[in-house]
Amino acid sequence: DAKTTQPTSMDCAEGRAANLPCNHSTISGNEYVYWYRQIHSQGPQYIIHGLKNNETNEMASLIITEDRKSSTLILPHATLRDTAVYYCIVRVLGQNFVFGPGTRLSVLP
Amino acid sequence: GAVVSQHPSWVICKSGTSVKIECRSLDFQATTMFWYRQFPKQSLMLMATSNEGSKATYEQGVEKDKFLINHASLTLSTLTVTSAHPEDSSFYICSARQQNSPLHFGNGTRLTVT
Repeated sequence: DAKTTQPTSMDCAEGRAANLPCNHSTISGNEYVYWYRQIHSQGPQYIIHGLKNNETNEMASLIITEDRKSSTLILPHATLRDTAVYYCIVRVLGQNFVFGPGTRLSVLP
Repeated sequence: GAVVSQHPSWVICKSGTSVKIECRSLDFQATTMFWYRQFPKQSLMLMATSNEGSKATYEQGVEKDKFLINHASLTLSTLTVTSAHPEDSSFYICSARQQNSPLHFGNGTRLTVT
């Protein structure tokens, strides 16, 4: 079973920031938080991951709360091509990735 | 970044025939590859873990004699769906990982069994 809880769906206006929350209240100290997204009929695409510090790359930012029980993926300027299902996964290095239902993000023009 | 190539991207086959799907890591060596299956409007479900040079490890409920996995080299794993039936129609996705790096996925194979 997935160890994370995400909203089923979200809408975001094109050009605005998309903030996708994830709850992982039972996360253990050595579990990382990963984010992937899946555009329709494609394989999942890696976005970002982190342990406890906030992370940023060319795609997104990951904000992890100090108690590590939740995190937020931020797409700073959402485009129509960011419409996808976003998966938040927690895992220890070397463990399998378990996918939950994710959040269906719709970016609206 | 790491690229995983999956082939074919889609296939239609008749019931009772077998279908082979290839998964290649193009710019890195992957000692471990994973096979997932995704039914419409559902999330990805891990089917098996493929280890180079050894037998694959199957998840509970996945028939190893029906879904044959071969990981003959560090860059290639194959999944063969044997004696396919309409209920095997699904989206099959492979993934590969370099040591201690994120998992990278192929673009999937849509299998339709008629």
